[in-house]
Amino acid sequence: DQQVKQNSPSLSVQEGRISILNCDYTNSMFDYFLWYKKYPAEGPTFLISISSIKDKNEDGRFTVFLNKSAKHLSLHIVPSQPGDSAVYFCAASRTGNQFYFGTGTSLTVIP
Amino acid sequence: ETGVTQSPTHLIKTRGQQVTLRCSSQSGHNTVSWYQQALGQGPQFIFQYYREEENGRGNFPPRFSGLQFPNYSSELNVNALELDDSALYLCASSSDRSSYNEQFFGPGTRLTVL
Repeated sequence: DQQVKQNSPSLSVQEGRISILNCDYTNSMFDYFLWYKKYPAEGPTFLISISSIKDKNEDGRFTVFLNKSAKHLSLHIVPSQPGDSAVYFCAASRTGNQFYFGTGTSLTVIP
Repeated sequence: ETGVTQSPTHLIKTRGQQVTLRCSSQSGHNTVSWYQQALGQGPQFIFQYYREEENGRGNFPPRFSGLQFPNYSSELNVNALELDDSALYLCASSSDRSSYNEQFFGPGTRLTVL
């Protein structure tokens, strides 16, 4: 029962261009969404979050968009840098303690 | 400020054995969550401990059990290991049990069951 889905296992982008990572969810009760970044041999690190009362949240080069009607969120990275190459996970929660993670998208930023 | 640490880094066990994984939470954190990440999958929530008590559990059988100590470090115990238990086990600590509090992940323990 995959409640959070990332349908693109991988993405390659040229340095300086925009990276767009997508995530879909099925549970309309989710009210808090996060993106994590993971490098090999390290645990995931928190990147950015958004509450269901908002439709956009920005932090520097990273912006998360939430479309509740479509049950879709996306992470935009502008401009993309080689150091952004990592696996990105989206996660969702319904005001509790349990996060549901997607399967991840491996981003490669080509210099 | 010390981050989240986990031990051991890698572990190999055989089917039917028992295993204990350890996690030291970040300084000042009273909540620890455990996740299982199978190959090619995202982390799956196992359970959370808040101030030494279980505070939520995912869809894992009772042979997955845990413990949190007064210093808020934690153990994950898995009995009667099965081949499908082979995975990366991640723990994450946070300053409180609410999901709105940022979770800080450790590097994980890679468990292989033969």
